[in-house]
Amino acid sequence: EAQVTQNPRYLITVTGKKLTVTCSQNMNHEYMSWYRQDPGLGLRQIYYSMNVEVTDKGDVPEGYKVSRKEKRNFPLILESPSPNQTSLYFCASSSPIQGSEQYFGPGTRLTVT
Amino acid sequence: EDQVTQSPEALRLQEGESSSLNCSYTVSGLRGLFWYRQDPGKGPEFLFTLYSAGEEKEKERLKATLTKKESFLHITAPKPEDSATYLCAVQWNGGYNKLIFGAGTRLAVHP
Repeated sequence: EAQVTQNPRYLITVTGKKLTVTCSQNMNHEYMSWYRQDPGLGLRQIYYSMNVEVTDKGDVPEGYKVSRKEKRNFPLILESPSPNQTSLYFCASSSPIQGSEQYFGPGTRLTVT
Repeated sequence: EDQVTQSPEALRLQEGESSSLNCSYTVSGLRGLFWYRQDPGKGPEFLFTLYSAGEEKEKERLKATLTKKESFLHITAPKPEDSATYLCAVQWNGGYNKLIFGAGTRLAVHP
C-alpha cells in the first residue's frame, strides 16, 4: 500500500529538549515536504526537499532543521523546541512532475510546555 | 502576494441539501489547483486536480470546477459522511512543487 508514515503520532515535550519527527514514504517520490497546521492559518510549508541531499526553506523554517540522506526518509528536527512550535505537523511526498498531487502522512501532534 | 482564500469558513447543511464551496486564488501562472478532504486528526486526502479554466472533475457527490480566478466544489445531495474540512491548494509556475493552501471550509452535514 502506497503511504507516508510519521512517528511519533503524538508527542508532549518540554522547552529546549531536542526532538526528531520521522517521515518515510514507500512511493519512490523525489519531492518531500513538511507542513505545520494551526487553527485559522491553514497548512504552511516549513521545509521541502527536491531529492537526496537537496533541501530548502519553506515559508516558516525558523526553529526547524531537516535532512535528506535517503530518498524515502525526511526527518524534521527541532533542536530547541519552544511553546510556539506546538502544532499539528504533516509530512508529504509527490513525484517531481509539477501538477502532481501530494500524499500526506497521518500527522504528528506536538505539544511543547 | 500569492494568496488562496476559501469561503465560507464553515457550512452547515441538512442531508440532501446541495451547496458549493468557493476557492479564489491570486497566483499567476497556475500549474494546478488541488482539492483535499481532511477529517479531524488526520492528514489531507487528495480529491481532485484541475489544470485549466473550464475543466471539471467529478467523484461521487462531489464536482470541482475551475475558472481563471476561482474554483468551486459542488456537493450534491450530501450525506453525513461528507462532513469534513475541505482544503484548496494551488501550484504555480516557478513555485516548483510548492503548494499554497487556503484555510479550509468546515462542512457539517446533519441527518
